[in-house]
Amino acid sequence: ETGVTQTPRHLVMGMTNKKSLKCEQHLGHNAMYWYKQSAKKPLELMFVYSLEERVENNSVPSRFSPECPNSSHLFLHLHTLQPEDSALYLCASSQGAGAQETQYFGPGTRLLVL
Amino acid sequence: DAKTTQPPSMDCAEGRAANLPCNHSTISGNEYVYWYRQIHSQGPQYIIHGLKNNETNEMASLIITEDRKSSTLILPHATLRDTAVYYCIVFPPLYNFNKFYFGSGTKLNVKP
Repeated sequence: ETGVTQTPRHLVMGMTNKKSLKCEQHLGHNAMYWYKQSAKKPLELMFVYSLEERVENNSVPSRFSPECPNSSHLFLHLHTLQPEDSALYLCASSQGAGAQETQYFGPGTRLLVL
Repeated sequence: DAKTTQPPSMDCAEGRAANLPCNHSTISGNEYVYWYRQIHSQGPQYIIHGLKNNETNEMASLIITEDRKSSTLILPHATLRDTAVYYCIVFPPLYNFNKFYFGSGTKLNVKP
């Protein structure tokens, strides 16, 4: 257990659906991250939040919409996804938002878009 | 931006030391070397990091060459549960997230 939880662990959705991924960290950290891991591709950083402010949006399509209501919770709202968006979505947190901060990852949500 | 080069896979006998190499020949003076590992279908797990000096913790040791162009992660007594993909990452300082790159890692197979 890393202190970072993600729900749901598995999700199947159609291209017209709207769904949300949830991440919660119990570590008292100030920064949270969303990553995408597609099959046989390196981990890709999507979004970074520091003290509930977005500090990085790594050229992610608008069909992915993050939300950080407080420093412990992070959401990823999904709508009109494509089959190529099927991947493992990982949440992480760190004490600060510097790139050199140690990150603690959740178990991920395995997403399948049909 | 400093990228890393790792062998795609390595084998190690259970109980023996696993030595995982990483080349980062373009590393800058203020960039740290981090190691994470990812066991199948789980989130990556932090192992160790360092700047210049060798580091040791309860999981592993990190040996960084004097010129900082390469490093080696050492798992002193590998177990079957250490089978995973190991990522060597060079992190730039502060908010340079456009240089945040995990790479493909080394798949370590620990065999009985």
